Amino acid sequence: DFVMTQSPDSLALSLGERATISCKSSRNLLYSLNKKNFLAWYQQKPGQPPKLLIYWASTRDSGVPARFSGSGSGTDFTLTISNLQAEDVAVYYCQQYFATPWTFGQGTKVEIK
Amino acid sequence: QVQLVQSGGGMKKPGASMKVSCEASGYTFTSYAISWVRQAPGQGLEWMGWISTSTSNTIYAQRFQGRVAMTADASTNTAYMELRSLRSDDTAVYYCARQVVLVATQEPYYIDFWGQGALVTVSS
Repeated sequence: DFVMTQSPDSLALSLGERATISCKSSRNLLYSLNKKNFLAWYQQKPGQPPKLLIYWASTRDSGVPARFSGSGSGTDFTLTISNLQAEDVAVYYCQQYFATPWTFGQGTKVEIK
Repeated sequence: QVQLVQSGGGMKKPGASMKVSCEASGYTFTSYAISWVRQAPGQGLEWMGWISTSTSNTIYAQRFQGRVAMTADASTNTAYMELRSLRSDDTAVYYCARQVVLVATQEPYYIDFWGQGALVTVSS
């Protein structure tokens, strides 16, 4: 199975700061034929289902604010939230869809300091 | 707008079965697959399995093999997930989720929309 490891487990930042969340895969997520990384990022607010933020490692889903960006390739990925807003308080998960069983990182909780 | 409306949660006894339904609307049901993902209280997300809504092919996570069954009824735009021989550690919120597929091959890609979840509590 692909093991997804996120760091840190939690972070607390001030409004307007930049949040950086790392996600490392135990195996390569870059598919050579289409040059795409099979990685997504989700945001989950308390009491709500997850919401898709980023797919193909760096493509923002429709309606997702531009302050959310994804980067990385292969086994190392990053979700960046620039200019942190109060409504960004949530748990963030990365997920690989390269091969079943599709697996998630353990989550990173983002709070406002 | 896209909706996945779930029903079927509740209290269950150990050893019993549960069945959660997921009624889709706002899009062409057979153009997307459905995955089932669960989340134990205070824990992370665990993928359980996937069903192609156009072919009814399924892939289950190994740890649920033999205990889970996923079906899809295109006539009612509804997907179902049944889990048998329930244990206390099956207590979780069960989500259905719409999964983008490459239509020509049904190759599954990312999940782009989630149902609201159904809480199942297993307790004697």
